Amino acid sequence: AQTVTQSQPEMSVQEAETVTLSCTYDTSENNYYLFWYKQPPSRQMILVIRQEAYKQQNATENRFSVNFQKAAKSFSLKISDSQLGDTAMYFCAYAGGTSYGKLTFGQGTILTVHP
Amino acid sequence: GAVVSQHPSWVICKSGTSVKIECRSLDFQATTMFWYRQFPKQSLMLMATSNEGSKATYEQGVEKDKFLINHASLTLSTLTVTSAHPEDSSFYICSAPGQGRLGGQPQHFGDGTRLSIL
Repeated sequence: AQTVTQSQPEMSVQEAETVTLSCTYDTSENNYYLFWYKQPPSRQMILVIRQEAYKQQNATENRFSVNFQKAAKSFSLKISDSQLGDTAMYFCAYAGGTSYGKLTFGQGTILTVHP
Repeated sequence: GAVVSQHPSWVICKSGTSVKIECRSLDFQATTMFWYRQFPKQSLMLMATSNEGSKATYEQGVEKDKFLINHASLTLSTLTVTSAHPEDSSFYICSAPGQGRLGGQPQHFGDGTRLSIL
């Protein structure tokens, strides 16, 4: 079975600084996808970034980028120029390449951005 | 764009009551719907997968008779918490896969239902 582990229950960062959230996963599949989701206090689930395992290039979306280390099964999220609106719970998630997007989530990291 | 409408957003009811949560796909057909449960400050745990016109697939440890799932049409999936008790109080979220490469397709999440059983 696939597992996703986020070892940082809580993180904090000053506004405008950079923070990195860690995620490791375990799978025996070759084809899969990794995601970072943001859940603000409203509890809506918002997709931050997506990485396809067969792509070596790290995904980036504006201030958000990932460091995907396939051999190490590591998938960290870097948030640059942190903003107050980035305060949320962040989930790392995994979906197998033969699934219909069935997600396995990590435990989550609560990120607080301080002014 | 594709949206999943989830209702109700918040429900409070007495112990022993059955509660139905609806998730409707707007502007797209959802042949599959995932149902998750989330406790405060914890992760989303997959409860079951519903497929239109067939029986739902439940994850290990989820009581099928407690959490009834129906997916009678391509746009509607429902979760009924039967004879709810305080321990069933939680946040329930549905999601439906959109178009895209298998496994990597976007997930369209409902806004969630906060269920409080007194």
